[in-house]
Amino acid sequence: AQTVTQSQPEMSVQEAETVTLSCTYDTSESNYYLFWYKQPPSRQMILVIRQEAYKQQNATENRFSVNFQKAAKSFSLKISDSQLGDTAMYFCAFMKHDGGQNFVFGPGTRLSVLP
Amino acid sequence: DAGVTQSPTHLIKTRGQQVTLRCSPKSGHDTVSWYQQALGQGPQFIFQYYEEEERQRGNFPDRFSGHQFPNYSSELNVNALLLGDSALYLCASSRDSSGYNEQFFGPGTRLTVL
Repeated sequence: AQTVTQSQPEMSVQEAETVTLSCTYDTSESNYYLFWYKQPPSRQMILVIRQEAYKQQNATENRFSVNFQKAAKSFSLKISDSQLGDTAMYFCAFMKHDGGQNFVFGPGTRLSVLP
Repeated sequence: DAGVTQSPTHLIKTRGQQVTLRCSPKSGHDTVSWYQQALGQGPQFIFQYYEEEERQRGNFPDRFSGHQFPNYSSELNVNALLLGDSALYLCASSRDSSGYNEQFFGPGTRLTVL
């Protein structure tokens, strides 16, 4: 079975600064997807960024980028130029490449962006 | 496009009762997954429905059951409610096809069991 660990329950960052959220996972699969989801107080889960394990290039989406280290089973999220609207719970998630497309989520990191 | 919708928003029940939660998928989506998110935790996969059948199931007891209708909407039923069933229940929809299909989440139903 797959597991996802997020070792930082809470983090804070000043507006316009950069912050990195950590995620490690455990799997015996060779091909899979990794995700970062954001859950603001409105509760709706929003996809931030996705990485396919067979791609060596790290994914980027505007101010969001990942550092994917497959051998180390590490998948960190870097948020640049943090904005007040980035305040939310952030969940790291794993999905097998073949197998019905259900997520395994980590416990989450609460990020607060301070003015 | 209304996206994924869920009803009701909030629900309060007592132990031993039964509850039904509803989900309407995003337009064009035919697959619905349900997740339970306990307070302060990440969501846990309950089950997934496709073509009106349960296709996959997580580690949840038989008290949790579901249904998918011909219009792809879905219900989650929980019988004999326990205090530990108090959680946010999330529905996610996607379009079934080969490869990765982005899942879109609804806003959830907050269930409180007293």
